Amino acid sequence: GDSVTQMEGPVTLSEEAFLTINCTYTATGYPSLFWYVQYPGEGLQLLLKATKADDKGSNKGFEATYRKETTSFHLEKGSVQVSDSAVYFCALTEGSNYQLIWGAGTKLIIKP
Amino acid sequence: DAGVIQSPRHEVTEMGQEVTLRCKPISGHNSLFWYRQTMMRGLELLIYFNNNVPIDDSGMPEDRFSAKMPNASFSTLKIQPSEPRDSAVYFCASSKQGAGEKLFFGSGTQLSVL
Repeated sequence: GDSVTQMEGPVTLSEEAFLTINCTYTATGYPSLFWYVQYPGEGLQLLLKATKADDKGSNKGFEATYRKETTSFHLEKGSVQVSDSAVYFCALTEGSNYQLIWGAGTKLIIKP
Repeated sequence: DAGVIQSPRHEVTEMGQEVTLRCKPISGHNSLFWYRQTMMRGLELLIYFNNNVPIDDSGMPEDRFSAKMPNASFSTLKIQPSEPRDSAVYFCASSKQGAGEKLFFGSGTQLSVL
């Protein structure tokens, strides 16, 4: 079945560093891909999405490109801030359009 | 817009007691999801409603769990009797239609069963 694999955390970076959080997926068709973010004590929020190959989702300085050839959707940001500290979830949906397949989440810690 | 509203925010109860979690989705959203989040199992979909009708409850762990959506603005998740292994954060989320649309999550209910 479909699955999402994320790099294990925690990922610890200094402020203004470059961020990459890897996400790869397996799917039988052409899924839509998502990144959600969860700040401490809160529910998840959609960060960005991409619905077809080569699409780039972007929001709040974060970007991710839908790479069908490598089945990847890596999250990047050029200069992280302390306020970016959170848990980041990669997810996909396909076909039924209600089942979101979630990655395990990657905790990001940004030190000042 | 107030967002998805869940109550209570925290619930501490003893094993064997009944627990009821409540959710008010965003007005105009047709889809409602109940999720459970634990360190060991991550995010698990418990049940999905579309237009107030349960579409998929295959994620409900066992008969002790039940969920209702009597109208478009209210849903409950009930655990009876509760057990320590039910301790988790329970999230309600809503969207305009399905999971392909943006999901809006509530702040969650932190449940501790002693």
